[in-house]
Amino acid sequence: EIVLTQSPTTIAASPGEKVTITCRASSSVSYMYWYQQKSGASPKLWIYDTSKLASGVPNRFSGSGSGTSYSLTINTMETEDAATYYCQQWSSTPPTFGGGTKLELK
Amino acid sequence: QVQLQQSGAELTKPGSSVKISCKASGYTFTSYDISWIKQRPGQALEWIGAINPGSGGTGYNEKFKGKATLTVDKSSSTAFMQLSSLTPEDTAVYYCARLDYGYTNEYYFDYWGQGVMVTVSS
Repeated sequence: EIVLTQSPTTIAASPGEKVTITCRASSSVSYMYWYQQKSGASPKLWIYDTSKLASGVPNRFSGSGSGTSYSLTINTMETEDAATYYCQQWSSTPPTFGGGTKLELK
Repeated sequence: QVQLQQSGAELTKPGSSVKISCKASGYTFTSYDISWIKQRPGQALEWIGAINPGSGGTGYNEKFKGKATLTVDKSSSTAFMQLSSLTPEDTAVYYCARLDYGYTNEYYFDYWGQGVMVTVSS
């Protein structure tokens, strides 16, 4: 199965700061998906097909990448963005998730 | 609006089985596959399997074959997952999630239930 490795594991950012989370795949994948999970809540679809924002996601978020390297970027950090973000692939079954990146407010 | 309402928390003993539910509303139940996902504290999310509510066809992660059994009741728009021969390693939050796909034909999880905490302890 394809292993997804996210970095960093934890990151702290100040409001207004730019944040980038990386997801590396053990084999090439066609697209990447991202989910946001806040404490005590279920994950929410955040980015699909690598770069498309899910409904209601602010446009300060963006996604990019190809092959084995993908990223989620927040152009200007806001307090509500503090959460854990997971990447996910389904180019190969079983679908797999990254270990998560916890984004904290500095 | 699309909603997936899961059953309540379960406290069970090692060696027993548990069956949790996921009631769908706000869309045509038979038009979208339902997946189940395991989340243990500090560990990556794990895909357990998926079921097509229309046909009842299933697909499982090899790791969960023999552990999980997925079924549906179309009359009540409810999906079920039974976990058997429970051990402490099965202690986790279990989510159901609806599967969708775009022009890429790759599936993703577009709506999630609130999760069910299953605790296995003697």
